[in-house]
Amino acid sequence: SQQGEEDPQALSIQEGENATMNCSYKTSINNLQWYRQNSGRGLVHLILIRSNEREKHSGRLRVTLDTSKKSSSLLITASRAADTASYFCATEQRGGSQGNLIFGKGTKLSVKP
Amino acid sequence: NAGVTQTPKFQVLKTGQSMTLQCAQDMNHEYMSWYRQDPGMGLRLIHYSVGAGITDQGEVPNGYNVSRSTTEDFPLRLLSAAPSQTSVYFCASSYSWFGADTQYFGPGTRLTVL
Repeated sequence: SQQGEEDPQALSIQEGENATMNCSYKTSINNLQWYRQNSGRGLVHLILIRSNEREKHSGRLRVTLDTSKKSSSLLITASRAADTASYFCATEQRGGSQGNLIFGKGTKLSVKP
Repeated sequence: NAGVTQTPKFQVLKTGQSMTLQCAQDMNHEYMSWYRQDPGMGLRLIHYSVGAGITDQGEVPNGYNVSRSTTEDFPLRLLSAAPSQTSVYFCASSYSWFGADTQYFGPGTRLTVL
């Protein structure tokens, strides 16, 4: 069963603009992670935010978490062509099986030079 | 460190054939897992292991078998391939089963079942 649902499904922006992607989930979580997948490659971990955190930064990435709305957003500032990829949120459900992450369907980001 | 390696990169099977997808990691990670990724879908968990000798089913285990005889290796066996198993398969590992641990993914195996 899909836990996270990313929105939008696809996003196209110009280099230098900011990109915002959203993730909604259904059940209580322990933490939420964001991953990036370049075309034809495996996923790469970007950032983790715990359920008791509201905002986290890592370089040009900013993640927020609103547990009351069961949603998270990923903001990439000053985007670059190299940011072109699919972005997935993954949640660890509270009370779920050990270590299992549930992935959303992803947002496909295209950054045009 | 090679990280997580998967072989083969590509495979074409006929319906009913069996095969094993190999996965190995050299990071001494306890937790390993297999996912499949279908077009327009996220990753769905097939099987996972929290340590050598321990495996369990994920969301979509039917038609697949796993074993974990060593910490390093976690092969995925397709018992009798079906067209519905056409997908990209990813192996992942993390230091522990603790869900906050970063998962490291292999490059994937693209499988086509005719």
